[in-house]
Amino acid sequence: GAGVSQSPSNKVTEKGKDVELRCDPISGHTALYWYRQSLGQGLEFLIYFQGNSAPDKSGLPSDRFSAERTGGSVSTLTIQRTQQEDSAVYLCASSLAITDTQYFGPGTRLTVL
Amino acid sequence: QKEVEQDPGPLSVPEGAIVSLNCTYSNSAFQYFMWYRQYSRKGPELLMYTYSSGNKEDGRFTAQVDKSSKYISLFIRDSQPSDSATYLCAVSTLSGGYQKVTFGIGTKLQVIP
Repeated sequence: GAGVSQSPSNKVTEKGKDVELRCDPISGHTALYWYRQSLGQGLEFLIYFQGNSAPDKSGLPSDRFSAERTGGSVSTLTIQRTQQEDSAVYLCASSLAITDTQYFGPGTRLTVL
Repeated sequence: QKEVEQDPGPLSVPEGAIVSLNCTYSNSAFQYFMWYRQYSRKGPELLMYTYSSGNKEDGRFTAQVDKSSKYISLFIRDSQPSDSATYLCAVSTLSGGYQKVTFGIGTKLQVIP
């Protein structure tokens, strides 16, 4: 079946602009996660959703970052007033339940000039 | 100190060699242990998953966990050029009702034909 999909695959933006990154989880997966992967930093947890609610937002780096999930499916990660240090690959993962294995999408490569 | 330590490599081996990849972790509360493989410009894909000390084998791959030493390993037998990728170790625990995963930085492996 279809895996986790993310769009866009690449995004180049200018410092100070807002960006929206989209994640389509595997159908039927109730849990959805966002991670950031930077060179030399590994995967950094940002936020997770159970249904449409986000019980753990502890990984969001600043109040410029926000995320929502609608209909228990698609999620959008929004970064406002982007900074150069926001450049990274943003990965989304989903799992059938919050205790299950996470399956990753291909990521969105964000470059902030 | 990072919760999970992993040598980033790169590690270069000839085709057919046995590869040993390792991680250490600091928190004995971690209950689940995983290895992910990540090809260039792709999302991580789950290779091995275990929750107990000992060995788990799947084809050419063997995952080994030593909880007393807080040490996890992945062995790849008869390595192939197609195994060239970055290998991420991951540990997790049920925290706040969900499986919170912490990743190592990843070891980049190159198998030379």
